[in-house]
Amino acid sequence: GAGVSQSPSNKVTEKGKDVELRCDPISGHTALYWYRQSLGQGLEFLIYFQGNSAPDKSGLPSDRFSAERTGGSVSTLTIQRTQQEDSAVYLCASSFSPGTGVSFLGEAFFGQGTRLTVV
Amino acid sequence: TQLLEQSPQFLSIQEGENLTVYCNSSSVFSSLQWYRQEPGEGPVLLVTVVTGGEVKKLKRLTFQFGDARKDSSLHITAAQPGDTGLYLCAGDRYGNKLVFGAGTILRVKS
Repeated sequence: GAGVSQSPSNKVTEKGKDVELRCDPISGHTALYWYRQSLGQGLEFLIYFQGNSAPDKSGLPSDRFSAERTGGSVSTLTIQRTQQEDSAVYLCASSFSPGTGVSFLGEAFFGQGTRLTVV
Repeated sequence: TQLLEQSPQFLSIQEGENLTVYCNSSSVFSSLQWYRQEPGEGPVLLVTVVTGGEVKKLKRLTFQFGDARKDSSLHITAAQPGDTGLYLCAGDRYGNKLVFGAGTILRVKS
């Protein structure tokens, strides 16, 4: 597709279960970001990928959260032993990032998010 | 601590009023982007400012990049209910990753 695709769009899970959230970025976009957004709030940074590596994972809230990116494309955010406070919309964005020192980055394109509800 | 601080966090105003949203940092950015997010959607780019002191206008929206490229502002004239949403600034540090502010939630009441 032409845009960033996230799946599932909605996920309801029981407390304690593991969940996987998927992000398909725009083809050719080397940078990929995961953000979390609670209801009526702003963005909370989780992790940033450049290619398959994650130079900044400082926003992951606990060791229950992990993410990987394969083939410089699809990324998966995994939350283990989900808790009710994990309920939020998880947004993925991608952009073209030519590398450090180059003038400026292009636009970040966001998916529509995965709404996670932990019951 | 956010690298980019946005203020205010929340803003509720009446239709027709003017408002300004600020995006501040102690770091220099090569460019700064403003995004708007409507309920149920992902954020969408409004504008990119690149040159220190640059001013860009988009209808009733005026964006300014500080001379030192450390701060930016978004001014909305005669706000309308359709302007309601989350406004985000994002800074680019010379080809490195984009850094987003936490956002300003704007509600315009009719």
